[in-house]
Amino acid sequence: DIQMTQSPSSLSASIGDSVTISCRASQSISVYLNWYQQKPGEAPKLLIYSGSSLQRGFPERFSGSGSGTHFTLSINGLQAEDFATYYCQQSSGFPRTFGQGTNVEVK
Amino acid sequence: QVQVEQSGAEVKKPGASVKVSCKVSGHTLRMHWVRHVPGIGLEWMGTFNPENDEATYVEKLEGRVTMAEDPSTGTAFMELRSLTSDDTAIYYCAPSLVHYDAFDLWGHGSMVTVSS
Repeated sequence: DIQMTQSPSSLSASIGDSVTISCRASQSISVYLNWYQQKPGEAPKLLIYSGSSLQRGFPERFSGSGSGTHFTLSINGLQAEDFATYYCQQSSGFPRTFGQGTNVEVK
Repeated sequence: QVQVEQSGAEVKKPGASVKVSCKVSGHTLRMHWVRHVPGIGLEWMGTFNPENDEATYVEKLEGRVTMAEDPSTGTAFMELRSLTSDDTAIYYCAPSLVHYDAFDLWGHGSMVTVSS
C-alpha cells in the first residue's frame, strides 16, 4: 500500500497568513494526488485534484503543487472560512489512501 | 446540481450487519466508500464500478464487505458484516462523477455505532 504522510498534523495561524501543508507519498504517484477540506460536522469536499487543479467553487487563494512523492497545499491569505482539516489522498493505485490530516486552527 | 442522498444513522450489536445506501442524482463513474474512524482518520473501504459491476475492496475488509448497486433504483449500497466495535465510524459514499481519480462529491455521512 502507498503510505501518505502529511505535515504538520496541526498548525495555528491568523487571518491573512499564508500557510503550506506538505504531503509525501511512500512511492511515486505522478500527479495522482487530491486534497480535501473538511469542516467540523460536515463531509469532506474535494479541493484540489490531479495535484494542482482547483475544484470549482473554491477561491484561487488555494493552490496545489508537486509531483512524484512530494506535494504541497498552499493557502495564500487565510480567511475565516478556511479553518478546517485538510487531507491529501492518492489515486495512483489501490487501495486509495489518505494522509492523517492537518488541522488548521485559529491562533 | 448533482445531489447525494445517504441513509441515516444505525446502531448495531457486535456480530450484526449494516447496510448503508446512497442515491446520486447524476451519472456515476465509480462509487467509493470511505469511513472516518475516531482517532484514526479517513479510511478508504473500496469502490464499485457501475459500468462493469466490479468491486474492489481494501484487503482488511475482504470477505466482510459488499459494495453494489440496486439496478432497479440506481441506489448504491455498502454492506458490512460481522461488526465489531472497531467498525464504529461515520461512513461516507463518495462518487467519482467527473474526475475518475477523485471523490468529487460526498454524502452527508451515516453514523454507525457498534455496541452491545
